[in-house]
Amino acid sequence: QVQLQQSGPGLVKPSQTLSLTCAISGDSVSSKSAAWNWIRQSPSRGLEWLGRTYYRSKWYYDYALSVQSRLIINADTSKNQFSLQLNSVTPEDTAVYFCAAGRFGSFDSWGQGTLVTVSS
Amino acid sequence: QSALTQPPSASGSPGQSVSISCTGTSSDVGGFNYVSWYQHHPGKAPKLMIYEVSKRPSGVPDRFSGSKSGNTASLTVSGLQAEDEAEYYCSSHAGNNNFVVLGGGTKLTVL
Repeated sequence: QVQLQQSGPGLVKPSQTLSLTCAISGDSVSSKSAAWNWIRQSPSRGLEWLGRTYYRSKWYYDYALSVQSRLIINADTSKNQFSLQLNSVTPEDTAVYFCAAGRFGSFDSWGQGTLVTVSS
Repeated sequence: QSALTQPPSASGSPGQSVSISCTGTSSDVGGFNYVSWYQHHPGKAPKLMIYEVSKRPSGVPDRFSGSKSGNTASLTVSGLQAEDEAEYYCSSHAGNNNFVVLGGGTKLTVL
């Protein structure tokens, strides 16, 4: 059973960078059968898939069109975790952010969620 | 605006059945058998209820079922129970570099 543990700040100032980390237990970030995703939820936008990383002999990074110019997802094999960096945030980026494991839009393990508020 | 279209609300009395639709295009729902459904209670992580259109993960009651016809997928909840009251989201694998698309969510109310 895969378990995901999120960490990161809950308050970010406008124009700054939102950074979150998701630590994996029960699987490997470099597993060739897994994918590691970031998803956010807000009252105004519902659930929104942001992006993912996965390893298939090399690393792949896929991003939603809505955030691709501002989002970087990284994998850290030494710590068995992956991370999200969202640049130039605005109040519109205020949401609960989740990390999740799964492929083809099917996410069977989720982190606990982190409420991130963008405010000065 | 979400890529997949869901009705904003649905309701039913205990014991009844209710279906929730999820409409996409031939580039997502209609083009792949990778539709999933999630149950989301406020303050909790979403829970996978259906994957690959009609498969149930271990532990999900068989009161929950999924189907697909053309570009529209459906989630049916039979024998409604009070604990089924939640927000339900659909998702689909997508082509054209969209990767994953989600619906806007349907609030299911058990009357």
